[in-house]
Amino acid sequence: QKEVEQNSGPLSVPEGAIASLNCTYSDRGSQSFFWYRQYSGKSPELIMFIYSNGDKEDGRFTAQLNKASQYVSLLIRDSQPSDSATYLCAVNPSGNTPLVFGKGTRLSVIA
Amino acid sequence: NAGVTQTPKFQVLKTGQSMTLQCAQDMNHNSMYWYRQDPGMGLRLIYYSASEGTTDKGEVPNGYNVSRLNKREFSLRLESAAPSQTSVYFCASRWGQGVIEAFFGQGTRLTVV
Repeated sequence: QKEVEQNSGPLSVPEGAIASLNCTYSDRGSQSFFWYRQYSGKSPELIMFIYSNGDKEDGRFTAQLNKASQYVSLLIRDSQPSDSATYLCAVNPSGNTPLVFGKGTRLSVIA
Repeated sequence: NAGVTQTPKFQVLKTGQSMTLQCAQDMNHNSMYWYRQDPGMGLRLIYYSASEGTTDKGEVPNGYNVSRLNKREFSLRLESAAPSQTSVYFCASRWGQGVIEAFFGQGTRLTVV
């Protein structure tokens, strides 16, 4: 059973701080990794994907991947109250297999 | 360009009733998926269709059936609804191989009483 683990939170950070969200996965052969944001009562929407070791930056968001440690993270700089949501980590084990999702981390940014 | 469209958005069923959740995508994606989301459980895969004409079971298929009607449409059927099937159901689609994201519909909130 391929597993994706996330701390359920809630993770509370003050406005303007860096929020760090973490995810580990069990399948060493996994190829690509996704971070989705889900507001309460809404559907998940993609924030970033990453498939190579290292960092990938997009605006205030940075995804980090370490395949040797089977670890992927999402950093949110200058956190805003509008970033308050549940963040889902998803892993593509290989090829055309379905994405496997973690249970999500609830982030709360306090103004 | 609507993306992934699910109907209905809300539904209340009595135990034992049947219903079909509809999903259609207009992005010419090959793969389509049905997930359910329960509090504290994340997104769990019910069934998926990797390509037109194929369907496969996911993590929690019991009590459900699916039909890939054509490349655009993928329906989920509950033959005899049970309270344990109370959940939010999401349809998603994806091009297929490679570093490709999944796009989600707006969800169907189903309550079985």
